[in-house]
Amino acid sequence: DIVMTQSPESLAVSLGERATINCKSSQNVLYNSNNKNYLAWYQQKPGQPPKLLIYWASTRESGVPDRFSGSGSGTDFTLTISGLQAEDVAVYYCQQFFSTPYSFGQGTKLEMK
Amino acid sequence: EVQLMESGGGLVQPGGSLRLSCTDSEFSFSSYWMHWVRQAPGKGLVWVSRINSDGSSTDYADSVKGRFTISRDNAKNTLYLQMNSLRAEDTALYYCVRPRLGWSFFDYWGQGTLVTVSS
Repeated sequence: DIVMTQSPESLAVSLGERATINCKSSQNVLYNSNNKNYLAWYQQKPGQPPKLLIYWASTRESGVPDRFSGSGSGTDFTLTISGLQAEDVAVYYCQQFFSTPYSFGQGTKLEMK
Repeated sequence: EVQLMESGGGLVQPGGSLRLSCTDSEFSFSSYWMHWVRQAPGKGLVWVSRINSDGSSTDYADSVKGRFTISRDNAKNTLYLQMNSLRAEDTALYYCVRPRLGWSFFDYWGQGTLVTVSS
C-alpha cells in the first residue's frame, strides 16, 4: 500500500505571503506510459466536504485561483499558495490515485498568522 | 450541477449493521465508477471502497474488507454501502464521491452522512 506523508502538520502564514505544503509518497506515483503523476490536492474548510484543487500533480481544476499551484514528480510533491488570502484558511490533503487502496496524506492545517 | 445526497447514517451499537445510500442527480450516473470516503471526527480522509460502473467489480480498504459491501442500482441512480459488524473505529462521516470520468481523483463529494458506533 502507498503511504502519503504531508509536512508540516500545521502552518501559519501572513496575509499575502506564500504557503508551501509538502507531500511524499512511499512509492512512485508516476505512470511511465503516460508520464502522469497520479497525485491530487484537496482543500477542506470546516463543515464542508473536500474540494478538488489540483490533479496530475500540477493541473489546476477549473475555477481554482491561479495562486494555487502544484509541482513535483515521482514521490515528492508540493502545493504552493502564492499570496495567501483569508479564504484559503483550511486543511489541505494530498491523495494518490495510482493504485488501490487510494490514500490521502494526514492533512496540513493552514492558518493565518 | 451534480448533487450527491447521502442518507442512512445514525447511531448503532457495536456489532450492528447499517446501510448507507447515495443518490446522484445526474442521468449519467451509470457511466461513473463511484467511491466511499470516510472521515472520523477531527481526523483525516480515508478511502473506503469503490465500485465500477456496472457493479461487477469492487475494491475495499483492508480495514473494512469482509464487513462492508458496496453496490449500486443504476436504474435508481443510487450507490449503497452495507456495513456489518460495525466497530467503534468505524465512527465517521461517510462521503459518497464521484471521480472525474475514467480516473480516480474526486471532483464531486456529497455532504456526508454520520455513522456513530457506540453502546
